[in-house]
Amino acid sequence: QVQLVESGGGVVQPGTSLTLSCTVSGFTFTTYAMYWVRQAPGKGLEWVATISNHGVNRYYGDSVRGRFTVSRDDSQNTLFLHMNSLKSDDTAVYYCARATRDTSGFYCDSWGQGTLVTVSS
Amino acid sequence: QPVLTQPPSASASLGASVTLTCTLSSGYSNYKVDWYQKSPGKGPRFVMRVGTGGIVGFKGDGVPDRFSVWGSGLNRYLTIKNIQEEDESDYYCGADHGGVPNFVAVFGAGTKLTVL
Repeated sequence: QVQLVESGGGVVQPGTSLTLSCTVSGFTFTTYAMYWVRQAPGKGLEWVATISNHGVNRYYGDSVRGRFTVSRDDSQNTLFLHMNSLKSDDTAVYYCARATRDTSGFYCDSWGQGTLVTVSS
Repeated sequence: QPVLTQPPSASASLGASVTLTCTLSSGYSNYKVDWYQKSPGKGPRFVMRVGTGGIVGFKGDGVPDRFSVWGSGLNRYLTIKNIQEEDESDYYCGADHGGVPNFVAVFGAGTKLTVL
């Protein structure tokens, strides 16, 4: 069955970097776009980034653009989120999601369980 | 880009029905939105996509028949009939906008559904 497993979260200091991974199985990774979505404590879902299949196009939310980079290694069925210049506002559970596309756009039909990133001094 | 507005809370008694609302900002009446269920400690779950004509495509895996959607004007609705305890969750609507190079995805603030 379809599985997405995030890893790499932890406690880091402001201004430092961290890379999250999302390893997938149960589907042909190369044919799907992928999302990162986060949820800060007590807050709602926030879109972070999207990468197209094969990694040709990458898009970012306003709050992370210029600091975060999404990438993928199709040979390893793995999605990455490279996070630089971390701020306390980046503290959240980070989810990866598989994005299926139809004529109306993307929808995230499978999600991981999330990995917690805490930015604190 | 569209803004999605959701009431912060809703409640219904066990076995009753409830309708959750997601309202698109003006000018986006032709947009479809996706409903997601988010329970504590779990990743979000795709429920289904909705436009003014109702469901678009298929329900998410394992989504009960008690869940249905419909749309009218700027509003997109998720109705849950015969509410069960396991339906108590936060429900988010989401949509994406634009394409290369200006793609953006948005979520509503979510509605917390309490089962009484």
